Amino acid sequence: NAGVTQTPKFQVLKTGQSMTLQCAQDMNHNSMYWYRQDPGMGLRLIYYSASEGTTDKGEVPNGYNVSRLNKREFSLRLESAAPSQTSVYFCASSLSTDTQYFGPGTRLTVL
Amino acid sequence: EDKVVQSPLSLVVHEGDTVTLNCSYEVTNFRSLLWYKQEKKAPTFLFMLTSSGIEKKSGRLSSILDKKELFSILNITATQTGDSAVYLCVWRSGGSNYKLTFGKGTLLTVNP
Repeated sequence: NAGVTQTPKFQVLKTGQSMTLQCAQDMNHNSMYWYRQDPGMGLRLIYYSASEGTTDKGEVPNGYNVSRLNKREFSLRLESAAPSQTSVYFCASSLSTDTQYFGPGTRLTVL
Repeated sequence: EDKVVQSPLSLVVHEGDTVTLNCSYEVTNFRSLLWYKQEKKAPTFLFMLTSSGIEKKSGRLSSILDKKELFSILNITATQTGDSAVYLCVWRSGGSNYKLTFGKGTLLTVNP
């Protein structure tokens, strides 16, 4: 099993550009999550999907959209990137809502 | 507002030392506590605790929860340089709210 995979690993954008971060899991987990991690802030939940076909806002959803494409895949879209969205983004998945398994992260820089 | 406080923020020890990392919380409707280890990349799961007084062990690592005093500790015995990482304490509220509250972590550095 690959676990949770994310693409790309690194990305540099200019302000106003858009992009989609991809996440996939092969553990047959029901729930998937997107977090961002900033220095001194810890991990903060952006959006989550409790099951296929549902998505909900987390703590910091502004500026982001998500799509739960199928059970395996959960993508995060930035429609118009801003420097404040410079961060490391982690995708996670879980069978229940407790133990979450994280992907390797995407380091995004917005200039 | 839910709050998780980890201490110390950072710690430097020598190989072979024993360390205790602390996590205290103010969380409504507690469901579970999780510990994660984060090296350079993604957090990796260590333990999930739901009941007071029951120690979870994995090799040199162990953890226990005190729901009355609202804290948890993570112990690492005979530390190795590979234990160097940020250790994250995470609280999960009950009910249908999927929110996890993350502490800011303790940075552990183990020197040879």
